[in-house]
Amino acid sequence: KAGVTQTPRYLIKTRGQQVTLSCSPISGHRSVSWYQQTPGQGLQFLFEYFSETQRNKGNFPGRFSGRQFSNSRSEMNVSTLELGDSALYLCASSLGQGPGEAFFGQGTRLTVV
Amino acid sequence: AQSVTQLGSHVSVSEGALVLLRCNYSSSVPPYLFWYVQYPNQGLQLLLKYTTGATLVKGINGFEAEFKKSETSFHLTKPSAHMSDAAEYFCAVSASKIIFGSGTRLSIRP
Repeated sequence: KAGVTQTPRYLIKTRGQQVTLSCSPISGHRSVSWYQQTPGQGLQFLFEYFSETQRNKGNFPGRFSGRQFSNSRSEMNVSTLELGDSALYLCASSLGQGPGEAFFGQGTRLTVV
Repeated sequence: AQSVTQLGSHVSVSEGALVLLRCNYSSSVPPYLFWYVQYPNQGLQLLLKYTTGATLVKGINGFEAEFKKSETSFHLTKPSAHMSDAAEYFCAVSASKIIFGSGTRLSIRP
């Protein structure tokens, strides 16, 4: 069974640009969550999608957005990139809503210059 | 509301020594609790989980954790550390969403 796939693995962008990250969950999983990981702030929850609907949202500005498609694949978008957006972005998939273990992808390392 | 506190951002032990990583949680509902491990430039891998039932939970790579409701703790232990255990460890609590602790970096001295 394939794991969670995140693309691309590495990305370099310039301040002010926008970026789209992709996540393919484990087959059969309907919930996808996104996290931002930085040395200073640790792992911070961005948002969670279930059946194409955003169910939970973390405390991030509106520049951060996401969506989920009917096949459960998810994308997150960051517009008007800032230097502080440089981070490892992790996607996790779960079977369903609510409490339960999450399976993580390898992450996308975003560097903003 | 849920929260997780990991005591000690960095723990160093000798190879063969006991590993103890501390985690305390807060949850308004019965929690699901997890320990994850992260190697450099990798995603998080589940070590073990507590949902209901037996309070002593065994995981992969010889790790185990005990859920103590009275102490709101879920400490991670391993009797004998190995060099390959060097990594970052995250405790997490899940009710409506998963909340992670700040992580503990485990170093192993030869």
